[in-house]
Amino acid sequence: DIQMTQSPSSLSASVGDRVTITCRASQSITNYLNWYQQKPGKAPNLLIFATSTLQSGVPSRFSGSGSGTDFTLTISSLQPEDFATYYCQQSFSTPHTFGQGTKVEIK
Amino acid sequence: QVQLQESGPGLVKPSETLSLTCTVSGFSISSGYYWGWIRQPPGKELEWIGTIYQSGTTYYNPSLKSRLTISVDTSKNQFSLKLKSVTPADAAVYYCAKQGDGRALEYWGQGTLVSVSS
Repeated sequence: DIQMTQSPSSLSASVGDRVTITCRASQSITNYLNWYQQKPGKAPNLLIFATSTLQSGVPSRFSGSGSGTDFTLTISSLQPEDFATYYCQQSFSTPHTFGQGTKVEIK
Repeated sequence: QVQLQESGPGLVKPSETLSLTCTVSGFSISSGYYWGWIRQPPGKELEWIGTIYQSGTTYYNPSLKSRLTISVDTSKNQFSLKLKSVTPADAAVYYCAKQGDGRALEYWGQGTLVSVSS
């Protein structure tokens, strides 16, 4: 299985801050990297697929980059509704493993 | 609008079989794409369980493969999960989802909590 490691596990930030979350794969996954946002008691919501393609309806303050084994999710200006847990997922090979999550909390 | 809804017992006894169904509306499973199951133990991370195509082709997580069956019923626009010989470690919120571009999970059900206890 491909292992996905996110960092940090949690972070505290203020509204308006620029936030960066990283995800590292244990082997190359080319660009098969997806990002999800999950709020308490809710299903995950797809933000970005194929490393950098924004899912329809997702605000442009979210962006993704990377290739191979190292990937980044950036929120350019954190909004109150962005406080949540974020997961990366590789869809290069089955099982399509997830990272352990990054919880973004209010500072 | 694509919607998915999980259904099934919320409590399963240890050693018994967990059975869940996902009913899809707003999109025909027969049109294609992969359909999957994901689970999340309370307070923990997401675990990919497996996916199925309309033809019945399946991909399973090796960690569950010996106990797992995912099937599809295109006539009912549903797909299902059966997990045998459950233990308390199988207690989780189970989600069904539709796979889209990049094999990402673009639509999710709301999730159903399954507890394992005698």
